[in-house]
Amino acid sequence: DQQVKQNSPSLSVQEGRISILNCDYTNSMFDYFLWYKKYPAEGPTFLISISSIKDKNEDGRFTVFLNKSAKHLSLHIVPSQPGDSAVYFCAASATNSGNTPLVFGKGTRLSVIA
Amino acid sequence: DGGITQSPKYLFRKEGQNVTLSCEQNLNHDAMYWYRQDPGQGLRLIYYSQIVNDFQKGDIAEGYSVSREKKESFPLTVTSAQKNPTAFYLCASTSGGTGGYADTQYFGPGTRLTVL
Repeated sequence: DQQVKQNSPSLSVQEGRISILNCDYTNSMFDYFLWYKKYPAEGPTFLISISSIKDKNEDGRFTVFLNKSAKHLSLHIVPSQPGDSAVYFCAASATNSGNTPLVFGKGTRLSVIA
Repeated sequence: DGGITQSPKYLFRKEGQNVTLSCEQNLNHDAMYWYRQDPGQGLRLIYYSQIVNDFQKGDIAEGYSVSREKKESFPLTVTSAQKNPTAFYLCASTSGGTGGYADTQYFGPGTRLTVL
């Protein structure tokens, strides 16, 4: 049973437009969420995170929004650039439930078209 | 120059042979993790270790074994019991024991294992 779901396997966006990647979770104990970016044949790199005490966190072109009541978070990239083309993974953690590893979604492949 | 190293980048083995993948970190992190990535499957947790000389099974531990004799090292052995070992293997670490709040997980570059 997937606790973190990324329902869109792929997304195509034109350069300069906004990219919106979505993530849903089922475990109400999750209180910390992260986004990772991954290029082929490389390890994922940390992009941005958000704690459940916030509903928005911004870092340059990247903004993560959290809707706790809907158990939904999204990553906005604006403006999108060709170098943003990669697989994006959403991850979640229940920090108050003992020592539990991050739970990852299956990823969304973003293609930014020039 | 701190980070996580995995070697080799590409590894080929014959079916039925055990193979050990290396993971070393000089970040002084307590917790280390092994994941497997298959197309369309995302990252699946194989084993993790919160502290030296201790480790726990992840979601897909069958056919794998690990050891954590040193803080810096967390080698993964893919045994002949693993039915479908060809995959991209990723090692990660975090500073705390939880992998949670304020403990960003850092990944190595990965090892592509191909079993012929």
